[in-house]
Amino acid sequence: EAQVTQNPRYLITVTGKKLTVTCSQNMNHEYMSWYRQDPGLGLRQIYYSMNVEVTDKGDVPEGYKVSRKEKRNFPLILESPSPNQTSLYFCASGLAGGGEQFFGPGTRLTVL
Amino acid sequence: RKEVEQDPGPFNVPEGATVAFNCTYSNSASQSFFWYRQDCRKEPKLLMSVYSSGNEDGRFTAQLNRASQYISLLIRDSKLSDSATYLCVVRGSQGNLIFGKGTKLSVKP
Repeated sequence: EAQVTQNPRYLITVTGKKLTVTCSQNMNHEYMSWYRQDPGLGLRQIYYSMNVEVTDKGDVPEGYKVSRKEKRNFPLILESPSPNQTSLYFCASGLAGGGEQFFGPGTRLTVL
Repeated sequence: RKEVEQDPGPFNVPEGATVAFNCTYSNSASQSFFWYRQDCRKEPKLLMSVYSSGNEDGRFTAQLNRASQYISLLIRDSKLSDSATYLCVVRGSQGNLIFGKGTKLSVKP
């Protein structure tokens, strides 16, 4: 089944404790992206990647890191999480230049 | 001006009603436009692409007005299952997708 998977789906952590949210797609898509969604602010792009070893900042990259060592994986790293990073996070993938992005089920992160 | 702007709603309509959502975008060079649908606490999913000539998919019609930098989505004969948030999406100059904040639709019996 073609899909985008994210892990974990839910995470409660404390300020400053490094964490990684994994994202994997099995559709051989070049493009992958991370978003956060907050009430009243909509979906905001954190980072995106047009292909392996190519990453670019989105609208809200501060406090996040990403890497794209393989085509299928695009992990999101929070080196020192803070409470303002409490949010719902979505990973997405798509063909380069294509319109449709396929989203993962989301990761609900709470930073205490 | 924000890159993609939508009326946040909510739009509360009875079953069977026709409802229209509007969206404006700021980058006149944008070439690709889409509508996504997001159910509560779920991931967004592509509803339809928006073509220059306008396009229709069943009860859904999407239109593009490049001169006014305006996109619309029309839903005819609303169903309870149409209740969701509708996201206007524009492809940015870097190839990334830029999402509007969404318009919430609630269809009541």
